[in-house]
Amino acid sequence: QSALTQPASVSGSPGQSITISCTGTSSDVGGYNYVSWYQQHPGKAPKLMIYEVSNRPSGVSNRFSGSKSGNTASLTISGLQAEDEADYYCSSYTSSSTLEYVFGTGTKVTVL
Amino acid sequence: QVQLQESGPGLVKPSETLSLTCAVSGYSISSGYYWGWIRQPPGKGLEWIGSIYHSGSTYYNPSLKSRVTISVDTSKNQFSLKLSSVTAADTAVYYCARHVLGSNWFDPWGQGTLVTVSS
Repeated sequence: QSALTQPASVSGSPGQSITISCTGTSSDVGGYNYVSWYQQHPGKAPKLMIYEVSNRPSGVSNRFSGSKSGNTASLTISGLQAEDEADYYCSSYTSSSTLEYVFGTGTKVTVL
Repeated sequence: QVQLQESGPGLVKPSETLSLTCAVSGYSISSGYYWGWIRQPPGKGLEWIGSIYHSGSTYYNPSLKSRVTISVDTSKNQFSLKLSSVTAADTAVYYCARHVLGSNWFDPWGQGTLVTVSS
C-alpha cells in the first residue's frame, strides 16, 4: 500500500488560513471516514489533531478543522499562528486482504 | 492520563533482531484498545508497523509482516516489538501509541526511541 499524497510544503502569514490536502484512492480515503491528522514539531512525537475526518480531540484548538471530498481529505488551519509551524501527517484505514493503515507523505507548514 | 514510554537498545547490528518494549501507565492494557508501533526514518515520514489487542490479536503492515512480532504482557502492562533480520533501512525513531483500530487514530504517543542499525 503506497503512502497517501500530501504537498511537501504549505506556507502562510500569521492570521491567514491554509489547507493541507491528503489524496488517496477509493480503497482508503474515499472509501471510509477513518482519516486522522497529526502535528509533529521537530524532535517531538506526533500529536493527534483530527480523527474520523472532522472530529477534534479535547484540547485541540478549534482553529483546526478537517473535511473530505471524494478521495481527498483536507486539514484547514485558520488564524495561523507561529506555533502551528510543524510537519503534518494524515492517516487512513485502507482495505486489503487484512486490516491495514497508511500515513501520508507529510507536509511542512511554514509561518512566514 | 495515559502515558507510554519506549525502551530498548539504541544500536543493533545488521541481520540481528531489534527488540523494543513500550510501558503503559495511567491505563490498564487489559481494559481495551489496540496498542501500536509506528516508525519514522530520519528525515522521512511515518510508517505503521503493527498493532496488538490485550488478547494477543495482532495486525501487521504487510510489507513488514514476515519480520515483525508484536506481543503483550498484561501483567507488566506493556507490549513489545521484535523486528528480525534488520538492515540499515530499519534505522528509525520507533514510537508506540494507543491505537483506536476501528476508527484509525493513534493517541497518545510515546516520546519515541531512535534505533540505529550499524555494525
